[in-house]
Amino acid sequence: DAGITQSPRHKVTETGTPVTLRCHQTENHRYMYWYRQDPGHGLRLIHYSYGVKDTDKGEVSDGYSVSRSKTEDFLLTLESATSSQTSVYFCAISDRDTNSPLHFGNGTRLTVT
Amino acid sequence: AQKVTQAQTEISVVEKEDVTLDCVYETRDTTYYLFWYKQPPSGELVFLIRRNSFDEQNEISGRYSWNFQKSTSSFNFTITASQVVDSAVYFCALSVASNDYKLSFGAGTTVTVRA
Repeated sequence: DAGITQSPRHKVTETGTPVTLRCHQTENHRYMYWYRQDPGHGLRLIHYSYGVKDTDKGEVSDGYSVSRSKTEDFLLTLESATSSQTSVYFCAISDRDTNSPLHFGNGTRLTVT
Repeated sequence: AQKVTQAQTEISVVEKEDVTLDCVYETRDTTYYLFWYKQPPSGELVFLIRRNSFDEQNEISGRYSWNFQKSTSSFNFTITASQVVDSAVYFCALSVASNDYKLSFGAGTTVTVRA
Protein backbone atom coordinates (compact mmCIF):
# COMPACT_ATOMS: atom_id res chain seq x y z
CA ASP A 1 0.00 0.00 0.00
CA ALA A 2 1.12 3.52 -0.75
CA GLY A 3 -0.06 4.88 2.60
CA ILE A 4 -3.21 6.63 1.41
CA THR A 5 -6.40 6.66 3.42
CA GLN A 6 -9.67 8.07 2.19
CA SER A 7 -12.58 8.81 4.48
CA PRO A 8 -15.39 8.13 4.53
CA ARG A 9 -15.45 5.06 2.29
CA HIS A 10 -19.16 5.41 1.64
CA LYS A 11 -21.52 8.32 2.05
CA VAL A 12 -25.12 9.02 1.19
CA THR A 13 -26.23 12.62 1.34
CA GLU A 14 -29.09 14.77 0.17
CA THR A 15 -29.07 17.33 -2.60
CA GLY A 16 -28.01 20.74 -1.39
CA THR A 17 -25.99 19.59 1.61
CA PRO A 18 -22.25 20.23 1.97
CA VAL A 19 -19.93 17.23 1.89
CA THR A 20 -16.22 16.96 2.65
CA LEU A 21 -14.07 14.04 1.65
CA ARG A 22 -10.68 13.55 3.23
CA CYS A 23 -7.49 12.10 1.85
CA HIS A 24 -4.63 11.39 4.22
CA GLN A 25 -1.18 10.21 3.17
CA THR A 26 1.81 9.01 5.16
CA GLU A 27 4.32 9.15 2.28
CA ASN A 28 5.18 12.84 2.51
CA HIS A 29 4.55 13.24 -1.23
CA ARG A 30 4.20 16.76 -2.54
CA TYR A 31 1.55 16.09 -5.19
CA MET A 32 -1.99 15.06 -4.36
CA TYR A 33 -4.97 14.69 -6.68
CA TRP A 34 -8.71 14.18 -6.58
CA TYR A 35 -10.34 12.22 -9.40
CA ARG A 36 -13.90 11.09 -9.97
CA GLN A 37 -14.76 7.86 -11.74
CA ASP A 38 -17.93 7.54 -13.79
CA PRO A 39 -18.97 4.84 -16.27
CA GLY A 40 -17.81 5.64 -19.79
CA HIS A 41 -15.50 8.43 -18.64
CA GLY A 42 -12.69 6.66 -16.89
CA LEU A 43 -11.19 8.89 -14.23
CA ARG A 44 -11.34 12.65 -14.55
CA LEU A 45 -9.25 15.11 -12.59
CA ILE A 46 -11.16 17.46 -10.29
CA HIS A 47 -8.40 19.35 -8.47
CA TYR A 48 -4.81 18.79 -7.58
CA SER A 49 -2.22 20.17 -5.20
CA TYR A 50 1.50 20.65 -5.64
CA GLY A 51 2.20 21.67 -2.08
CA VAL A 52 0.71 23.09 1.10
CA LYS A 53 -1.82 25.77 0.14
CA ASP A 54 -0.93 25.33 -3.55
CA THR A 55 -3.85 23.94 -5.52
CA ASP A 56 -5.17 24.13 -9.05
CA LYS A 57 -8.21 23.09 -11.03
CA GLY A 58 -8.57 19.99 -13.13
CA GLU A 59 -10.94 19.32 -16.01
CA VAL A 60 -14.14 18.90 -13.95
CA SER A 61 -13.68 21.35 -11.07
CA ASP A 62 -17.07 23.10 -11.16
CA GLY A 63 -18.96 22.56 -7.91
CA TYR A 64 -15.87 21.43 -6.00
CA SER A 65 -13.30 23.13 -3.82
CA VAL A 66 -10.18 21.80 -2.13
CA SER A 67 -7.87 22.70 0.67
CA ARG A 68 -4.44 21.55 1.74
CA SER A 69 -3.26 23.00 5.03
CA LYS A 70 -0.83 20.16 5.75
CA THR A 71 1.32 18.00 3.51
CA GLU A 72 -0.52 14.87 4.56
CA ASP A 73 -4.13 16.01 4.13
CA PHE A 74 -6.07 17.01 1.02
CA LEU A 75 -9.75 17.81 1.45
CA LEU A 76 -12.38 17.85 -1.27
CA THR A 77 -15.57 19.79 -0.55
CA LEU A 78 -18.84 19.79 -2.38
CA GLU A 79 -20.39 23.04 -1.18
CA SER A 80 -23.91 22.05 -2.22
CA ALA A 81 -24.09 18.50 -3.46
CA THR A 82 -26.05 17.68 -6.62
CA SER A 83 -27.15 14.35 -8.04
CA SER A 84 -24.61 14.74 -10.87
CA GLN A 85 -21.88 14.50 -8.25
CA THR A 86 -22.87 10.95 -7.39
CA SER A 87 -19.66 9.12 -8.21
CA VAL A 88 -16.67 7.27 -6.87
CA TYR A 89 -13.94 9.66 -5.77
CA PHE A 90 -10.31 8.68 -5.75
CA CYS A 91 -7.42 10.45 -4.14
CA ALA A 92 -3.94 9.93 -5.57
CA ILE A 93 -0.44 10.93 -4.61
CA SER A 94 2.86 11.11 -6.42
CA ASP A 95 6.40 12.02 -5.67
CA ARG A 96 6.92 14.02 -8.84
CA ASP A 97 10.39 14.98 -7.72
CA THR A 98 11.40 11.36 -8.31
CA ASN A 99 8.99 10.97 -11.22
CA SER A 100 6.99 8.29 -9.49
CA PRO A 101 3.65 7.15 -10.91
CA LEU A 102 0.39 8.00 -9.19
CA HIS A 103 -0.74 5.74 -6.40
CA PHE A 104 -4.41 5.76 -5.50
CA GLY A 105 -6.47 5.47 -2.36
CA ASN A 106 -9.29 2.94 -2.16
CA GLY A 107 -11.97 5.41 -3.16
CA THR A 108 -15.06 6.99 -1.63
CA ARG A 109 -18.45 6.07 -3.02
CA LEU A 110 -20.70 9.12 -2.76
CA THR A 111 -24.41 9.00 -3.46
CA VAL A 112 -26.41 12.21 -3.63
CA THR A 113 -30.16 11.61 -3.39
CA ALA B 1 -4.51 18.74 -25.85
CA GLN B 2 -4.01 15.17 -24.82
CA LYS B 3 -6.39 12.28 -25.26
CA VAL B 4 -6.49 8.56 -24.62
CA THR B 5 -8.85 6.26 -26.48
CA GLN B 6 -9.67 2.74 -25.41
CA ALA B 7 -12.04 1.64 -28.12
CA GLN B 8 -12.89 -1.71 -26.54
CA THR B 9 -15.51 -1.26 -23.86
CA GLU B 10 -15.76 -4.90 -22.85
CA ILE B 11 -13.88 -8.08 -23.69
CA SER B 12 -14.93 -11.55 -22.62
CA VAL B 13 -12.60 -14.54 -22.97
CA VAL B 14 -12.35 -18.08 -21.73
CA GLU B 15 -9.59 -18.90 -19.31
CA LYS B 16 -6.19 -19.55 -20.95
CA GLU B 17 -7.01 -17.43 -23.97
CA ASP B 18 -4.82 -14.44 -24.75
CA VAL B 19 -6.39 -11.01 -24.66
CA THR B 20 -5.07 -7.74 -26.08
CA LEU B 21 -6.28 -4.36 -24.91
CA ASP B 22 -5.86 -1.46 -27.29
CA CYS B 23 -4.81 2.03 -26.28
CA VAL B 24 -4.37 4.91 -28.69
CA TYR B 25 -3.14 8.27 -27.48
CA GLU B 26 -2.92 11.79 -28.87
CA THR B 27 -0.45 14.47 -27.92
CA ARG B 28 1.75 17.06 -29.59
CA ASP B 29 4.35 16.77 -26.84
CA THR B 30 7.53 14.89 -27.49
CA THR B 31 8.00 14.16 -23.79
CA TYR B 32 5.24 12.10 -22.24
CA TYR B 33 4.52 9.02 -20.16
CA LEU B 34 2.07 6.20 -20.75
CA PHE B 35 0.56 4.05 -18.02
CA TRP B 36 -1.68 1.08 -17.45
CA TYR B 37 -3.72 0.60 -14.30
CA LYS B 38 -5.86 -2.33 -13.23
CA GLN B 39 -9.08 -2.01 -11.24
CA PRO B 40 -10.26 -5.40 -9.93
CA PRO B 41 -13.84 -5.90 -8.71
CA SER B 42 -12.75 -4.82 -5.22
CA GLY B 43 -12.36 -1.31 -6.65
CA GLU B 44 -8.80 -0.26 -5.92
CA LEU B 45 -6.56 1.04 -8.69
CA VAL B 46 -3.34 -0.86 -9.16
CA PHE B 47 -0.42 0.58 -11.08
CA LEU B 48 0.92 -1.88 -13.68
CA ILE B 49 3.44 -0.08 -15.86
CA ARG B 50 4.83 3.28 -16.91
CA ARG B 51 6.63 3.98 -20.17
CA ASN B 52 8.31 7.20 -21.26
CA SER B 53 8.17 8.50 -24.81
CA PHE B 54 11.86 7.90 -25.40
CA ASP B 55 11.73 4.22 -24.64
CA GLU B 56 9.90 2.19 -27.27
CA GLN B 57 11.23 -1.10 -26.02
CA ASN B 58 8.48 -3.61 -25.40
CA GLU B 59 8.18 -5.03 -21.93
CA ILE B 60 7.15 -8.36 -20.50
CA SER B 61 6.26 -9.05 -16.89
CA GLY B 62 5.10 -12.59 -16.32
CA ARG B 63 1.91 -13.08 -18.32
CA TYR B 64 1.67 -9.36 -19.07
CA SER B 65 3.31 -7.66 -22.02
CA TRP B 66 3.16 -4.21 -23.49
CA ASN B 67 3.73 -3.07 -27.06
CA PHE B 68 4.58 0.63 -27.44
CA GLN B 69 4.57 1.95 -31.01
CA LYS B 70 5.07 5.67 -31.52
CA SER B 71 4.42 5.33 -35.25
CA THR B 72 0.81 4.42 -34.55
CA SER B 73 0.52 6.25 -31.19
CA SER B 74 -0.43 3.02 -29.50
CA PHE B 75 0.43 1.35 -26.22
CA ASN B 76 -1.29 -2.02 -26.27
CA PHE B 77 -1.45 -4.48 -23.41
CA THR B 78 -1.60 -8.25 -23.77
CA ILE B 79 -2.47 -10.79 -21.12
CA THR B 80 -1.22 -14.23 -22.10
CA ALA B 81 -3.01 -17.36 -20.89
CA SER B 82 -5.66 -15.34 -19.06
CA GLN B 83 -6.91 -16.37 -15.64
CA VAL B 84 -10.11 -15.59 -13.76
CA VAL B 85 -8.11 -13.27 -11.48
CA ASP B 86 -7.37 -11.09 -14.50
CA SER B 87 -11.03 -10.05 -14.60
CA ALA B 88 -10.93 -6.31 -14.03
CA VAL B 89 -11.26 -2.91 -15.63
CA TYR B 90 -8.02 -1.81 -17.25
CA PHE B 91 -7.20 1.84 -17.79
CA CYS B 92 -4.64 3.34 -20.10
CA ALA B 93 -3.42 6.82 -19.16
CA LEU B 94 -1.15 9.56 -20.48
CA SER B 95 0.77 12.40 -18.87
CA VAL B 96 2.53 15.11 -20.84
CA ALA B 97 5.03 17.78 -19.95
CA SER B 98 2.91 20.66 -21.29
CA ASN B 99 0.07 19.70 -18.94
CA ASP B 100 2.31 19.52 -15.90
CA TYR B 101 2.26 15.73 -16.13
CA LYS B 102 -1.32 15.47 -14.92
CA LEU B 103 -2.72 12.07 -15.76
CA SER B 104 -5.46 11.73 -18.40
CA PHE B 105 -7.28 8.41 -18.51
CA GLY B 106 -9.03 6.45 -21.19
CA ALA B 107 -12.56 5.23 -20.51
CA GLY B 108 -11.34 1.78 -19.55
CA THR B 109 -11.82 -1.74 -20.88
CA THR B 110 -13.67 -4.31 -18.81
CA VAL B 111 -12.13 -7.76 -19.13
CA THR B 112 -14.10 -10.78 -18.04
CA VAL B 113 -12.32 -14.11 -17.94
CA ARG B 114 -14.69 -17.09 -17.75
CA ALA B 115 -13.61 -20.36 -16.21
